[in-house]
Amino acid sequence: QVQLQESGPGLVKPSETLSLTCTVSGASVSHYYWSWIRLPPGSGLDWIGHVSHSGGASYNPSLKNRVTISLDTSKNQFSLKLSSVTAADTAMYYCTRVRYCSTTTCYPNYYYYMDVWGKGTTVTVSS
Amino acid sequence: EIVLTQSPGTLYLSPGEGATLSCRASQTVSSSYLTWYQQKPGQAPRVLIYGASSRATGIPDRFSGSGSGTHFTLTISRLEPEDFAVYYCQQYDSSPGLTFGGGTKVEIK
Repeated sequence: QVQLQESGPGLVKPSETLSLTCTVSGASVSHYYWSWIRLPPGSGLDWIGHVSHSGGASYNPSLKNRVTISLDTSKNQFSLKLSSVTAADTAMYYCTRVRYCSTTTCYPNYYYYMDVWGKGTTVTVSS
Repeated sequence: EIVLTQSPGTLYLSPGEGATLSCRASQTVSSSYLTWYQQKPGQAPRVLIYGASSRATGIPDRFSGSGSGTHFTLTISRLEPEDFAVYYCQQYDSSPGLTFGGGTKVEIK
């Protein structure tokens, strides 16, 4: 059974860097794509970005200048760093496994969906 | 970016009734990259439907998805008490990326 667990500080000061780690059990980070999603209070889901099994990443254009998602295969983890945070970055943060096969590789049976989610961790940005 | 608009914002229904949730895209979305999730209070979202119409593992057959192009629908044939939740549609486009709809909340009438 695949399980994901987010960890990191629950409180971050404005202008500092938010850092979270997702520990994966039951699957290898070298075999799938992995993503970060957040849910701000009173709002809907927001995609932060994903990292591939080989370490290449893709980000939400609205966050691109501030975000880094990376893989640590030795620890079977992936991580999120979001710099220069403001109150608008206060949210529940989820890590997920992504089932992705591109049009190039899997046409016509391509797909993209998030099938395993961590329980989430609340991050508050406040001084 | 592709904007997904879900309607209605809130749906008030009774157990046993059917529900139809709409997801409209600002431009054509590949059906293969259209997904529906359910989220209950205090829980992470879970995938219901991927590829616009394929049920994820363990999802009851009262949930079904349909649609193509710019309009997609999630149908719940007979609402069970555990189905009252928020539902999100999601699309993926390799550039500029992934977007979610704003969600539809299904509440008990």
